[in-house]
Amino acid sequence: AQSVTQPDIHITVSEGASLELRCNYSYGATPYLFWYVQSPGQGLQLLLKYFSGDTLVQGIKGFEAEFKRSQSSFNLRKPSVHWSDAAEYFCAVGGAAGFKTIFGAGTRLFVKA
Amino acid sequence: EPEVTQTPSHQVTQMGQEVILRCVPISNHLYFYWYRQILGQKVEFLVSFYNNEISEKSEIFDDQFSVERPDGSNFTLKIRSTKLEDSAMYFCASSPHQGADYEQYFGPGTRLTVT
Repeated sequence: AQSVTQPDIHITVSEGASLELRCNYSYGATPYLFWYVQSPGQGLQLLLKYFSGDTLVQGIKGFEAEFKRSQSSFNLRKPSVHWSDAAEYFCAVGGAAGFKTIFGAGTRLFVKA
Repeated sequence: EPEVTQTPSHQVTQMGQEVILRCVPISNHLYFYWYRQILGQKVEFLVSFYNNEISEKSEIFDDQFSVERPDGSNFTLKIRSTKLEDSAMYFCASSPHQGADYEQYFGPGTRLTVT
């Protein structure tokens, strides 16, 4: 079955500290992987995507993610978190043209001063 | 940069009423989708649409729901008789054409409140 697991419901980090949000997926075919960010009451903003090639992908706002096929993981990282990064982060799989996107349950990031 | 637009941004309706949520996908895109997000929950796929017909739908997308592309630009989601549990954010998305390396572009969403 196709699924996405984000094991952490919420994470709190100090401003300036590094961040890693975990994501594991189950998908029968070659996965297309995404990370989205959502601020309260807002839409979904694409942070980055992985389709093929280099397994370390760079995104907007200083985020990066690494695809590890052997671990079925696509963890999101940022070396130094800013207070404005506080939001909900969704990992997703699929989503190429014609295929549905399956979202994880999300991880809410809190940033403390 | 082209973007998906949705109207209205917020819709309030009474239980049992029909609602139509509207989306304008990016102009050269061929695949269209609806997703919903109940408050505090994850985003769930509802339906995908291609070549004027539904290509895939989830179990959520029952007979109360329908989609239509009435003209060359709009893509609509109709809920025939709304229930309280239909209250959610509804996102429209579109993607260019079949094949690898093309993502879905999401609109800003319509918040539907059923009272």
